[in-house]
Amino acid sequence: NAGVTQTPKFQVLKTGQSMTLQCAQDMNHEYMSWYRQDPGMGLRLIHYSVGAGITDQGEVPNGYNVSRSTTEDFPLRLLSAAPSQTSVYFCASSRTSGGLRQETQYFGPGTRLLVL
Amino acid sequence: AQSVAQPEDQVNVAEGNPLTVKCTYSVSGNPYLFWYVQYPNRGLQFLLKYITGDNLVKGSYGFEAEFNKSQTSFHLKKPSALVSDSALYFCAVRDGSGTYKYIFGTGTRLKVLA
Repeated sequence: NAGVTQTPKFQVLKTGQSMTLQCAQDMNHEYMSWYRQDPGMGLRLIHYSVGAGITDQGEVPNGYNVSRSTTEDFPLRLLSAAPSQTSVYFCASSRTSGGLRQETQYFGPGTRLLVL
Repeated sequence: AQSVAQPEDQVNVAEGNPLTVKCTYSVSGNPYLFWYVQYPNRGLQFLLKYITGDNLVKGSYGFEAEFNKSQTSFHLKKPSALVSDSALYFCAVRDGSGTYKYIFGTGTRLKVLA
């Protein structure tokens, strides 16, 4: 299993540009999530999904869109990038169907985004 | 609203000494608590979790954590620190209300000195 994969690893954008951060998992996990990591602020939840066709907002959803058309993929879209979105973005997935004892988030390697 | 606090930005400990990384939490329902570790330029790796049952939880790499309901704490511990334990440690909580919103602490950098 590849686990959770993210592309690209690094991206530079200009203010106002749009882009999609890709996330895929091959563990058939129901739950997927996006976080951003900023110095001194830990990880903050952006959006999450508990299954195909179901998404919900986290702590910091503004400026980001998500969709979940398949179990495997959970892309994160920045429609108009701003310097405040400079961050490291992590995708994670977890099984939920097995109850709490099976619920553990597995993280991807991250995407480092710089918005100029 | 749920929250997590990691009061120490950095913890320094000598190799071979016991280590403790502190975490306190606030949730409205039953707490589900997690510890993750992050090595430089890597994603987070799961260490251990508390769901219910024994207050002392054992996890990967010799780490354990003690759940204390009265003090709303979930401190991470290891009896004998290794230089290779040096990393960034995150505590996280999810409440039992049925949502899947995880809240992470700000992280504690552990430095084990040889």
